[in-house]
Amino acid sequence: DAGITQSPRHKVTETGTPVTLRCHQTENHRYMYWYRQDPGHGLRLIHYSYGVKDTDKGEVSDGYSVSRSKTEDFLLTLESATSSQTSVYFCAISESRASGDNNEQFFGPGTRLTVL
Amino acid sequence: GEDVEQSLFLSVREGDSSVINCTYTDSSSTYLYWYKQEPGAGLQLLTYIFSNMDMKQDQRLTVLLNKKDKHLSLRIADTQTGDSAIYFCAESPPTGGFKTIFGAGTRLFVKA
Repeated sequence: DAGITQSPRHKVTETGTPVTLRCHQTENHRYMYWYRQDPGHGLRLIHYSYGVKDTDKGEVSDGYSVSRSKTEDFLLTLESATSSQTSVYFCAISESRASGDNNEQFFGPGTRLTVL
Repeated sequence: GEDVEQSLFLSVREGDSSVINCTYTDSSSTYLYWYKQEPGAGLQLLTYIFSNMDMKQDQRLTVLLNKKDKHLSLRIADTQTGDSAIYFCAESPPTGGFKTIFGAGTRLFVKA
């Protein structure tokens, strides 16, 4: 299995509080992604990173920010959590060398976040 | 924009074949993927097909690609109870940077 860990694995928080989820990889892959998984929607991309300090928005980025200060760590922050952000969050990594290459992604185990 | 659609549920009997279908919108996608998600876990790549191929076989798995209809299917032969999972179809549009577009997932139930 690819070396990807997520922390915490479970979190319950209250509306309006800040929350930070961490993704850590030991594969030295360049690309990292944050997704959320909701019933009926599959996986939706929140943000992704293509290098240290290089990030871009995905399709559902509102209310989320990310940071990548080291190759191995990608942080997802909910500045002020809302109940609509209750979801399962997955981190993924990939090592594509050029656009059009096979972009196989390796996924972490997920973080279940509940916002009350 | 890009979209990937698949039916949400499929139920089969153990030993039968399962066929999971998917349609996608970006005809220029170079790679199309099938991922498997077991309960409580992240997704794992099962197989992928390059867009210039019509079929790919890997043990019990057969992937068929119909580029004209933008239709992708995954056939699992001799389906086992351990195949019960959610299966995601995905595409990597060449104009989307390194992003991958996932379908909503098909939940496969295998009855003993």
